[in-house]
Amino acid sequence: NSKVIQTPRYLVKGQGQKAKMRCIPEKGHPVVFWYQQNKNNEFKFLINFQNQEVLQQIDMTEKRFSAECPSNSPCSLEIQSSEAGDSALYLCASSRGADTQYFGPGTRLLVL
Amino acid sequence: GQQVKQSSPSLTVQEGGISILNCDYENDMFDYFAWYKKYPDNSPTLLISVRSNVDKREDGRLTVFLNKSGKHFSLHITASQPEDTAVYLCAAGQQGTGSKLSFGKGAKLTVSP
Repeated sequence: NSKVIQTPRYLVKGQGQKAKMRCIPEKGHPVVFWYQQNKNNEFKFLINFQNQEVLQQIDMTEKRFSAECPSNSPCSLEIQSSEAGDSALYLCASSRGADTQYFGPGTRLLVL
Repeated sequence: GQQVKQSSPSLTVQEGGISILNCDYENDMFDYFAWYKKYPDNSPTLLISVRSNVDKREDGRLTVFLNKSGKHFSLHITASQPEDTAVYLCAAGQQGTGSKLSFGKGAKLTVSP
């Protein structure tokens, strides 16, 4: 069973507001991923980290999101100015490195 | 476009039967393939995965078949049980530190008693 912790489970924001969610990876997992699952059940990769360094991110994340994985603190993903289209389930996953990813329960964001 | 596709969004199987879930992918570079199980309001949980150096892997009632030339992999669940009812997601990616996974949209399996 996954031990990835995500908070909050649910988040409601108005358009233009910041929306911040957090993730604590499994102990010993240096790689952290963020995915967005939309209402059509499509998974979109957003960004990943190895320790504190960004490995990859998509254009949208670079422009509209702020993400970090500081040492000894939870990883975070923050939308700077929420839009209706950002309403989705945000899943954090962690990995020892090479392949298997373990997912947290997700943060369900609703932007009104 | 969608790099990993599950063409059948739902499947119903009688208890005791074999459930077969299929997945097609586009990227020739993918060499890691996985099936996740997702209950409502729960995160995806890894069921079984396989690397491209094998074409079959068994784990209890689960078997993954990989057809690299056809860019296709499948999950077979034998002796299906009502508790197998869930959404099953296939995923594929490249092995290597930090490589992201591409997911299918999922297929809802219902096992009826």
